This record gives sequence, structure tokens and C-alpha cells, in this order.
Amino acid sequence: KQEVTQIPAALSVPEGENLVLNCSFTDSAIYNLQWFRQDPGKGLTSLLLIQSSQREQTSGRLNASLDKSSGRSTLYIAASQPGDSATYLCAVVRGGSNYKLTFGKGTLLTVNP
Amino acid sequence: ETGVTQTPRHLVMGMTNKKSLKCEQHLGHNAMYWYKQSAKKPLELMFVYSLEERVENNSVPSRFSPECPNSSHLFLHLHTLQPEDSALYLCASSQGEGSYNEQFFGPGTRLTVL
Repeated sequence: KQEVTQIPAALSVPEGENLVLNCSFTDSAIYNLQWFRQDPGKGLTSLLLIQSSQREQTSGRLNASLDKSSGRSTLYIAASQPGDSATYLCAVVRGGSNYKLTFGKGTLLTVNP
Repeated sequence: ETGVTQTPRHLVMGMTNKKSLKCEQHLGHNAMYWYKQSAKKPLELMFVYSLEERVENNSVPSRFSPECPNSSHLFLHLHTLQPEDSALYLCASSQGEGSYNEQFFGPGTRLTVL
């Protein structure tokens, strides 16, 4: 059974700092991995999707890497801003299943002005 | 705005009530999903519909009954719920089968069962 773990559970940083969020998964036979952002009481916004054959994806100040063999992904946020404060969720799709996303519990990020 | 809308945004119901949650996607996708998000737990997949057929039912109690009348609409019918069913219910859609299966989520319905 696939399990996804995100560390740390919560992180508080001053504005402008570069930071890394970690995600690990137990079954490396994944189809792809997605990073989402969730604001309090709201739905999920997709940030980056990495196919299993890719090593990283970039969007603006965000960079996500994937090391499938070791079951790890990182989300790097450069020059953090108070508007980045949210919960960041990592989810994987199991190989052979195009539908089922397995989520981690998320990392609650607070960026202080 | 992701192109996926959900109504109502908030719902309070008693254990004997019957209510329905509605989801609509304007993205031309052919797969739709219901997820449950409880406090301090990962999101849990409840149901998956592809081309209006249910392809996955993740051991969800029968008091939750999904309906997908067409590829743009998805409902979750609720009856005789329990207080532990209080959660944020999220709908999502995707293009379905294929190498790029990004899921787009709605804003959710916050359900409270008294």
C-alpha cells in the first residue's frame, strides 16, 4: 500500500528566505507526482506535476524535483513571500492506475513579513 | 478559479436529513472524483467516474451515494450521516486516461453533521 509522508508538518520562515519542503513515498512504481497548494478552507491548486520519467519541473519561484528510485521529491520555494503561506500537499499516482492520487498530510507553511 | 465549481460551499445537516452535494466542471474533462478531507488526515479518494461510469469505489459507506448523469456533473447524495462524516468534501476532474492526468479541484463543500 502506497504511503506518502511530508516533512516537516509545519514550517515558519521570515520573508525572503529560500526553503525546501520534503515528500517521500514508499512504492517507487509511480506514474507521476503532483504538488498542490491549499489555502485555509479552500480547494487545492495544482502547482507542479512531474512525470515518472522526469527529474524536475519549474514554475516561477517554484522548483520540484523527483528521485523515483529513492522515493523522494522536494519542492523548493525561492525568495518566499507572505502570500506563499498555505498548506502544501504532495500526491502520487500509482503506476498502472491513472486515477488514484495518494496524498500526504501536507506541510503548513507560514511566511512572516 | 480552476473551472470546477461546487455547491453548496457550506452545509449543516442533522443525522436524519437527506442532502446532496453538486459538482460541475467546465473543462471538457471526462473523469470526475470525490475526495474527503478530515482534520489531520490525508485526503481520501471516495469515488471515481470515467466517461460517466463508476470505476472506483474506495470502500465508502452506503450512506454516501454518488451520481454522474453526464461528464460535466457529479453529485454526492447524503443520508443518515454520522458526526464523524463532518469534513471538507472536494470534487476534482481530469482528462482521464492518458499520460497527463493532472487533476483540477473545486473549492469544496464544508459539511457539518450535528
